[in-house]
Parts: sequence; C-alpha cells; structure tokens
Amino acid sequence: SQTIHQWPATLVQPVGSPLSLECTVEGTSNPNLYWYRQAAGRGLQLLFYSVGIGQISSEVPQNLSASRPQDRQFILSSKKLLLSDSGFYLCAWNLGRAGYQETQYFGPGTRLLVL
Amino acid sequence: AQSVTQLDSHVSVSEGTPVLLRCNYSSSYSPSLFWYVQHPNKGLQLLLKYTSAATLVKGINGFEAEFKKSETSFHLTKPSAHMSDAAEYFCVVRFSGGYNKLIFGAGTRLAVHP
Repeated sequence: SQTIHQWPATLVQPVGSPLSLECTVEGTSNPNLYWYRQAAGRGLQLLFYSVGIGQISSEVPQNLSASRPQDRQFILSSKKLLLSDSGFYLCAWNLGRAGYQETQYFGPGTRLLVL
Repeated sequence: AQSVTQLDSHVSVSEGTPVLLRCNYSSSYSPSLFWYVQHPNKGLQLLLKYTSAATLVKGINGFEAEFKKSETSFHLTKPSAHMSDAAEYFCVVRFSGGYNKLIFGAGTRLAVHP
C-alpha cells in the first residue's frame, strides 16, 4: 500500500531564516505531487505541483520554491521566510493517469510558525 | 471558471441529530467533486467522491452526499452525528485540466455537542 510522509511535523523559525520541508511517497511510481498551504481558518491553496522529476509548476507567486530531486521526493524551500509564510503545509499525491483514480491523498502536514 | 462555495463556515449540532454541510460549485464541465475531513492538526482524509456515476454517493463513517446538477450542489449529510465527527470539512472540485488540480472550499467547521 502507498504511504506519504512529511517532516518535520512542527517547525518554528525566525523571519529571514531558510526553510526546507520534505515529502516522500512510498509504494507507487511516478506520482503527481502537490504542495498546499492552509492558513489559519482558511481553505487550502495549491502552491506547487509536479508531474515528474525536475518538473515543477508554480500556482502562486511567492518567496517559496519547490524541487523534485527524486521520483517520490518533493521538497518545499525558502531562502528567507516571511511572517506570512506561517501556516499548515500539506503534501499530496495521486497518479492521475487515464484509468486511475483522481483522488489526491494527503500527508500528515507540517505546521510552520514564523516569528 | 471553476469554483466551490461552502455556505456555512460553522455548523453546530447535538450528538444524535442530523448533519447537513452545504456546498455549491461552479464548473463549465461535468465536475468531479469530493468531500475531505480534517481533524485538528491532522492531514486531510477523503470522505467520499462523485465522478459521474451514481448521484448519491456513500462515504466513510456514515456520511453521504448527493450530486444535484440542476442546483449545482453537493451537500454532505449524516443521519446521526457522533462526537468524533467534530472536525473541519472541505468540499472540493476537480479542475478539468491535465494534472488533477483541486479547488478547495473555505471549509466548514462542525461542532458536535453532547
């Protein structure tokens, strides 16, 4: 069966510091991968998605970036965090190919607090 | 343009009474619709989904939703609320693009009182 991992679970960082959040998927190959952010009391906003190694699409201009160095690894980064980067970051995956289910499966999330 | 609106930001019910969480969507195409649940400090869990099969969709934990094209609605219901149902619920529409982009509603927080 497939599982998705995110770490760290919780992170407190000062403004201006760098960020690296990691997401890995097990039990599948060539998944579509997604990063979402959930601000307090709000719905989810898609930040990045990737359909393959090295292929990243950005949905929202911001000071965050994403990379996919391996098939089942998706990394969210920032060189300098802003206060507004605080939130709950969720990674998700699906296969999304013809004949497969469209459902996205979410990881446990990383709660980021920027002070 | 595709969008999804959850009509209530907060819903409060007593344990054992019915639950109704309302969702309306806007889509130029036949949509795929989902309901996800998020318990505090947890990731999202899929409750159910509609993908152009039966209009009444049954999900986990006794939840179900009915797709009504004429009303562009996909309301989530449960006959009898349980304390463990207290969580935030998201109605989601799938964007008809090539990469399965999901558009999330703002969420409805369900409180269940004894």
